[in-house]
Amino acid sequence: DTAVSQTPKYLVTQMGNDKSIKCEQNLGHDTMYWYKQDSKKFLKIMFSYNNKELIINETVPNRFSPKSPDKAHLNLHINSLELGDSAVYFCASSQDTGGTYEQYFGPGTRLTVT
Amino acid sequence: AQSVTQLGSHVSVSEGALVLLRCNYSSSVPPYLFWYVQYPNQGLQLLLKYTSAATLVKGINGFEAEFKKSETSFHLTKPSAHMSDAAEYFCAVRNQAGTALIFGKGTTLSVSS
Repeated sequence: DTAVSQTPKYLVTQMGNDKSIKCEQNLGHDTMYWYKQDSKKFLKIMFSYNNKELIINETVPNRFSPKSPDKAHLNLHINSLELGDSAVYFCASSQDTGGTYEQYFGPGTRLTVT
Repeated sequence: AQSVTQLGSHVSVSEGALVLLRCNYSSSVPPYLFWYVQYPNQGLQLLLKYTSAATLVKGINGFEAEFKKSETSFHLTKPSAHMSDAAEYFCAVRNQAGTALIFGKGTTLSVSS
């Protein structure tokens, strides 16, 4: 069984469009994250959710919005896509309460904006 | 604030040779440190973690890392490289608020036969 899954794996879209990436974890973890990996493979945190509450939001444009319908899901919505949004987006989860904080990552979604 | 520096963006070794990937960290609190591996077009896989227990940490695939507080280092080693070890390796530290991982810029490991 896949621990952290993301859909779609590839997403090609035009500038100005609105898109969503879905993430699900079946590990029973209490915290989920979104990371962005740029073309130089640098990973940077975008959001994290703990028990459906946003914990951090790192200087991310408000065109990006995370939505968590329940503890097992954290979706990423992106409005008015720009060329600079092209990247690989990773979802991750961890058990922070009583856990050891290691994060488990999904396979990634490669977003290409044309 | 926490930070991670990985020395050497690209490391090349021969099959069977020692692998040494360097990581130095900066942290104002006792750190939680991690090494992840990323194979092409895949997500990140946890290799090992340091969480203030034993300073020598053993991970998967024969990798291990030693936490040295005096040197603020957490270098990753493997005695004998395999071709399948070729990948991108990331060192990470948990941020002070405990809400995210801060990653280094990664080291690409190449293994030649």
